[in-house]
Amino acid sequence: EVQLVESGGDLIQPGGSLRLSCTASGFTFTNYWIHWVRQVPGKGLMWVSRVSGAGTTTAYADAVRGRFTISRDNAKNTVFLQMNSLRVEDTAVYYCVKVGLTDAAGPFDYWGQGILVTVSS
Amino acid sequence: EVVLTQSPDFQSVTPKEKVTITCRASQNIETSLHWYQQKPDQSPKLLIKYASQPISGVPSRFSGSGSGTDFTLTINGLEAEDAAVYHCHQSRSFPLTFGGGTKVEIK
Repeated sequence: EVQLVESGGDLIQPGGSLRLSCTASGFTFTNYWIHWVRQVPGKGLMWVSRVSGAGTTTAYADAVRGRFTISRDNAKNTVFLQMNSLRVEDTAVYYCVKVGLTDAAGPFDYWGQGILVTVSS
Repeated sequence: EVVLTQSPDFQSVTPKEKVTITCRASQNIETSLHWYQQKPDQSPKLLIKYASQPISGVPSRFSGSGSGTDFTLTINGLEAEDAAVYHCHQSRSFPLTFGGGTKVEIK
């Protein structure tokens, strides 16, 4: 069974840093791109970032580029999202999502349960 | 950036009725359009991929159509368990984008 489990969410002050983790199981981790998607509670979805199976290729939304860094440790089946210089508008539920074997950008066939990040003073 | 515009924003529907949700793209995305269902306090779930391809385990009352800029998600014979927000998503170009969502309520 495919599982994606996020961790690391917290209440953090503006300007602070946080690292989210996504631990995967149930599939050959190194074969798949992994993405982060966020959702302000009650609002729509926004794509944040993605990383290739080898970890060598990444991409970011304009809203987070230069502040967030995605990476992965394939030995631990884990993807990370390092979030620096956090802003109030980064407050959201962050989902770790997986794409299909032949896809790099979607569709997102499995989603984690989501983890809440709250940026507030 | 490809802007996806969903309509309607909200729909209140009687069980067994047919539901139609549209997603319009600001530029040609061929068939790189996917649909998700998100129930309250749950993560989104993939319903339809590449505009019209069904997903294993998803009830056959859900179907999709369209290409280019205009896409439709149809629920043939709404059931109470279909109360949810439905999102479209394009994977044709970066940044990946989503529609604003359509909330379907059961009357």
